[in-house]
Amino acid sequence: SYELTQPPSVSVSPGQTARITCSGDALPKKYAYWYQQKSGQAPVLVIYEDSKRPSGIPERFSGSSSGTMATLTISGAQVEDEADYYCYSTDSSGNPLGVFGGGTKLTVL
Amino acid sequence: QVQLVQSGAEVKKPGASVKVSCKASGYTFTSYGISWVRQAPGQGLEWMGWISAYNGNTNYAQKLQGRVTMTTDTSTSTAYMELRSLRSDDTAVYYCARGLAVAVTYWGQGTLVTVSS
Repeated sequence: SYELTQPPSVSVSPGQTARITCSGDALPKKYAYWYQQKSGQAPVLVIYEDSKRPSGIPERFSGSSSGTMATLTISGAQVEDEADYYCYSTDSSGNPLGVFGGGTKLTVL
Repeated sequence: QVQLVQSGAEVKKPGASVKVSCKASGYTFTSYGISWVRQAPGQGLEWMGWISAYNGNTNYAQKLQGRVTMTTDTSTSTAYMELRSLRSDDTAVYYCARGLAVAVTYWGQGTLVTVSS
């Protein structure tokens, strides 16, 4: 079955740039989506279609994709950005199945 | 405003079935599909499947094939997810969501299903 691979954890100091990667064989053909989840809450979409930012998401969140890797970048990370981040995409079959990456715990301290 | 309101927490014994509901409001129900996602305690998000509210077409995660059924009732704008032959590792918070691969997503509040003897 199709998998998306993320690093388990990333740690930065406040004001630094955090980069979270997501690798998957179908990413050259399929968009990546990024979700932020804080403890006890439902996930929130922070990037869609590789690099677009939904309304209300701070400009410090950006996304990119190249080849088999998508990257979420948080420029000038803030303490309130500490959360779990998940990439989401679909496989390249004719009947697409969704898949989440394993998640990355971002620590900002 | 768009809202997805899920049914309450459930406690089930191994081998039993559970049916979680997700009542939609604030939009035309048949215009969007509903995805189901679960999260075991301390674990990541797991995509379970998707159903078209327009025609009932479904896609299920391979690991759940044969145990999960997703349905909709357009008369009440409600989506359902039934999981059978429950095991302890099915203990999780189950979410419904309108759209995962779109610009705007809406999620239900989550339903805790506990499987315990």
